[in-house]
Amino acid sequence: EAGVAQSPRYKIIEKRQSVAFWCNPISGHATLYWYQQILGQGPKLLIQFQNNGVVDDSQLPKDRFSAERLKGVDSTLKIQPAKLEDSAVYLCASSLVSGIPYNEQFFGPGTRLTVL
Amino acid sequence: RKEVEQDPGPFNVPEGATVAFNCTYSNSASQSFFWYRQDCRKEPKLLMSVYSSGNEDGRFTAQLNRASQYISLLIRDSKLSDSATYLCAVITGSYIPTFGRGTSLIVHP
Repeated sequence: EAGVAQSPRYKIIEKRQSVAFWCNPISGHATLYWYQQILGQGPKLLIQFQNNGVVDDSQLPKDRFSAERLKGVDSTLKIQPAKLEDSAVYLCASSLVSGIPYNEQFFGPGTRLTVL
Repeated sequence: RKEVEQDPGPFNVPEGATVAFNCTYSNSASQSFFWYRQDCRKEPKLLMSVYSSGNEDGRFTAQLNRASQYISLLIRDSKLSDSATYLCAVITGSYIPTFGRGTSLIVHP
């Protein structure tokens, strides 16, 4: 079974530039999560989708971050404009469906973003 | 108070030792609990779910204490390969996951 795919794996940009990350979840997984993981910290949930609807985006800095999952499959996370503090690993995860206990999340390899 | 708290460590233990980590959570309505393992520069992977009755998987034992609002992970007979960061994850009643910052474990010969 193919895992969660993410691209690119690494990205270096200058502050105030824009960047986009792509995620393709495991086939059949309805729930997709985007996390930000800063070095030395745990993953911080940015946005959670159930199919193409948003379940939670309370921690997404909406003035600069946006995410979409138009067809309920793959998803794009965008940062515009980037700040130095956005340097982090952006992890995408998927699960069969939210709303049930012990619903395992499967993570992609992440995109390591460096903002100079 | 943070929603999910973990001692970052590092816990530095010799091979064969028993080590235990705790993870406290603030939302009493939390429904599901997990331990994930994260190797350096890798993505988190599920280690085990934490059931109300506690559960064991080989050398690993997870416990849930709802009264005191914490979960624990016990590793017996530590191996060098157990060196990693252990993340706890708590799912609220709204099915929103929150991760702790992780506890670093270093197992040395």
